[in-house]
Amino acid sequence: AQRVTQPEKLLSVFKGAPVELKCNYSYSGSPELFWYVQYSRQRLQLLLRHISRESIKGFTADLNKGETSFHLKKPFAQEEDSAMYYCALKPPPGNTGKLIFGQGTTLQVKP
Amino acid sequence: NAGVTQTPKFQVLKTGQSMTLQCAQDMNHEYMSWYRQDPGMGLRLIHYSVGAGITDQGEVPNGYNVSRSTTEDFPLRLLSAAPSQTSVYFCASSYSSGTDTQYFGPGTRLTVL
Repeated sequence: AQRVTQPEKLLSVFKGAPVELKCNYSYSGSPELFWYVQYSRQRLQLLLRHISRESIKGFTADLNKGETSFHLKKPFAQEEDSAMYYCALKPPPGNTGKLIFGQGTTLQVKP
Repeated sequence: NAGVTQTPKFQVLKTGQSMTLQCAQDMNHEYMSWYRQDPGMGLRLIHYSVGAGITDQGEVPNGYNVSRSTTEDFPLRLLSAAPSQTSVYFCASSYSSGTDTQYFGPGTRLTVL
């Protein structure tokens, strides 16, 4: 079965430190993965998707099929990065047709 | 465009009461869904709809009903609220599929006493 695991409920770092939010998935085939973010008092929104190979707000995420991971990284954390982050997986065609979300990780960037 | 709107923002219910959480979108999206967000549990899908007149159950449908009479609206009904339904509820929509980019509403924080 397809599954997304975010092992850390809370990640706390100091401003300027590197950040890595972990996401592991189980999937047979070529997965499509996303990161969604929810800032305080704002709605959940798409941050990035792996097929776009883009960097958004300094964040990048590389799909590692060997390790079945899609970790979100940023070299220098900013206080405004503090938010809840969700990793999500698109299931195979013909499956449920619904994104599978991980449990979420709260990132806290301290001054 | 207002995007996805939800009302109310906050609600307190007593056990056994009923209520409807409203969700509307003005983007002409076919797909709409309801999630609940609980600490340590992430986002769990309650019900979803792939178009007007079509609804289906998600991961945690018990205690909730939905209907989709129009493309724009997708209300979520709690028939007899229970403390276990205390949560933050999010409505989301997307163009045609549950795997397209999801656009979320601001959420409704529900407390059941």
